[in-house]
Amino acid sequence: NAGVTQTPKFQVLKTGQSMTLQCAQDMNHEYMSWYRQDPGMGLRLIHYSVGAGITDQGEVPNGYNVSRSTTEDFPLRLLSAAPSQTSVYFCASRPGATRTEAFFGQGTRLTVV
Amino acid sequence: SQQGEEDPQALSIQEGENATMNCSYKTSINNLQWYRQNSGRGLVHLILIRSNEREKHSGRLRVTLDTSKKSSSLLITASRAADTASYFCATATSGGSNYKLTFGKGTLLTVNP
Repeated sequence: NAGVTQTPKFQVLKTGQSMTLQCAQDMNHEYMSWYRQDPGMGLRLIHYSVGAGITDQGEVPNGYNVSRSTTEDFPLRLLSAAPSQTSVYFCASRPGATRTEAFFGQGTRLTVV
Repeated sequence: SQQGEEDPQALSIQEGENATMNCSYKTSINNLQWYRQNSGRGLVHLILIRSNEREKHSGRLRVTLDTSKKSSSLLITASRAADTASYFCATATSGGSNYKLTFGKGTLLTVNP
């Protein structure tokens, strides 16, 4: 039981490049979320999903896309990377609406130059 | 905007002392949770308190919730150097059948040996 797995752990992008951050969970959780963590800002919600085929925007969705084709996977796409997207990204999953404890991946540290 | 705000931003204590962190939030909640983050790692769930509860214990952790003041506190008793970490409160709000989990900016706790 691996929990929540994020790949890659580190990534450097040039401005304008696109990439996908991968997130997979093996706990059959309904809810999955993406957060970004910046110094002094805590964690801010980017996008979240309450089940396969259902996604919604969080607090800071601009510049990011998500999809949820399976229960296990919730990739985060950066369409055209900008230096403002330099951050640490965390994926989290939760069992569902009645249990809201979140399980986090180890994070992806992204630098956009 | 972020729901929870922790206070203080940073706290430095000696091993064996108690550490108290506070969290204030803005809107009605379903429950409030506390998480811990070691440097460079993902967040780990510590404890959850529901909106109809006033106090909860788990090992050396004690959490209180005052919904009239929209505030919570986390007490760590008999602290250890290994408790050094950032601590975040997170609030779960309900919108229909969907629950968003939003985080504060965190308190950095340093426990000196």
